[in-house]
Amino acid sequence: QVQLVESGGDVVQSGRSLRLSCAASGFTFSTYVMHWVRQAPGKGLEWVAGISSDGNNEHYADSVKGRFSIFRDNSKNTLYLQMSSLRAEDTTVYYCARDRGCGSNCYSYFDYWGQGTLVTVSS
Amino acid sequence: DIQMTQSPSSVSASVGDRVTITCRASQGISGWLAWYQQKPGKAPKLLIYGISSLQSGVPSRFSGSGSGTDFTLTISSLQPEDSATYYCQQVNIFPLTFGGGTKVEIK
Repeated sequence: QVQLVESGGDVVQSGRSLRLSCAASGFTFSTYVMHWVRQAPGKGLEWVAGISSDGNNEHYADSVKGRFSIFRDNSKNTLYLQMSSLRAEDTTVYYCARDRGCGSNCYSYFDYWGQGTLVTVSS
Repeated sequence: DIQMTQSPSSVSASVGDRVTITCRASQGISGWLAWYQQKPGKAPKLLIYGISSLQSGVPSRFSGSGSGTDFTLTISSLQPEDSATYYCQQVNIFPLTFGGGTKVEIK
């Protein structure tokens, strides 16, 4: 069965960096677009970034552009989110999600999600 | 950015009631609309995609409709396990955006 397991969440000081990982299993990871989505405590969902199946195409939310980087290692079935210059407003649960699929560089709906990992940015 | 506006923000209904949630996009999204269900402490679950296609395993009491900029999620006969927050999402144009959510409670 499809499994997505995030890790790397931590308490980090404002301005520092952190890398999140998402280990995928149960499907052919290298053929799926992947995403990161975040959710502040008690708040709604915010899409953060998406990456094509081959890793050559990325898109970002304006709120993280220039600070976050999404990348993947298809040989390790792992998705990453490198976060830098962290701010208090980046304190959220981060989910990785699989794109339902509509082509290698086509972005659509999110059919599987991980359980999330909490990032807390302290000042 | 495309703004997705959901209404109501919360609804309380009885078991067996019909519940309707609406989602309005700030511009046309060419049918690239999904609905998700999220229960407390859990990840969201895809319910409907492409306006009206039911994701595998989702009960048939859930349905979606709409066109252009106005969309609807309907629960035909509310069940206790449907207590959750529901989000619409557009995937037509980056950045991908979600509605603010509608909390459905059981009376």
